[in-house]
Amino acid sequence: ATQLTQSPSSLSASVGDRVTLTCRASQAIRSALAWYLQRPGGPPQLLISDASTLATGVPSRFSGSGSGTDFTLTISSLQPEDFATYYCQQFNSYPITFGQGTRLEI
Amino acid sequence: EVQLVESGGAAVQPGGSLKLSCVASGLNFDHYTMHWVRQPPGKGPEWVSLISWDGGSTEYADSAEGRFTISRDNNKNSLYLQLRSLRSEDTALYYCALRKDNDALDIWGQGTMVTVSS
Repeated sequence: ATQLTQSPSSLSASVGDRVTLTCRASQAIRSALAWYLQRPGGPPQLLISDASTLATGVPSRFSGSGSGTDFTLTISSLQPEDFATYYCQQFNSYPITFGQGTRLEI
Repeated sequence: EVQLVESGGAAVQPGGSLKLSCVASGLNFDHYTMHWVRQPPGKGPEWVSLISWDGGSTEYADSAEGRFTISRDNNKNSLYLQLRSLRSEDTALYYCALRKDNDALDIWGQGTMVTVSS
């Protein structure tokens, strides 16, 4: 199975900051990577698919990049509602796998 | 509005069985591959299984292979997950989800809780 390792595991930041989260795959997965945000008590919400395609309705302050084994999610200017946990997920091969998450805290 | 509603979660003893359901509305259910994803309390999500639009193809996580069975009834807009030989590590919130307008899981239910404990 393809392992996804996210870093950092937690991050403290402030409203207005620019932050970059990283996801590294244990083997090449082309661009078959998605990013999700999860707030307490709710399901994951899709932010980015195909490594860099913004999902429908997601604000443009979110962006994704990368291919192969190294991927990043960047939030250009943090808003209060962005403080949550972020997960990456690979669709390149079965079993589909998730990273362990990055918790973004104020 | 597209909606997925899971049900069937409960508290069961180790070794027990349970069948989860997910009813979809607001979309042509038989057009979509459906997924189950679970999330243990305080941990990240774990993909469990998927089934193709016609039920002809299924995939499972290693943790589910041989114990869980995914199925669907397109006439009832329903997805199912039969859980058998349950273990404490199967305790989780079980979500159904699908890819609709994006190339990843963009529609999720609110989940149904399964607790395995003696």
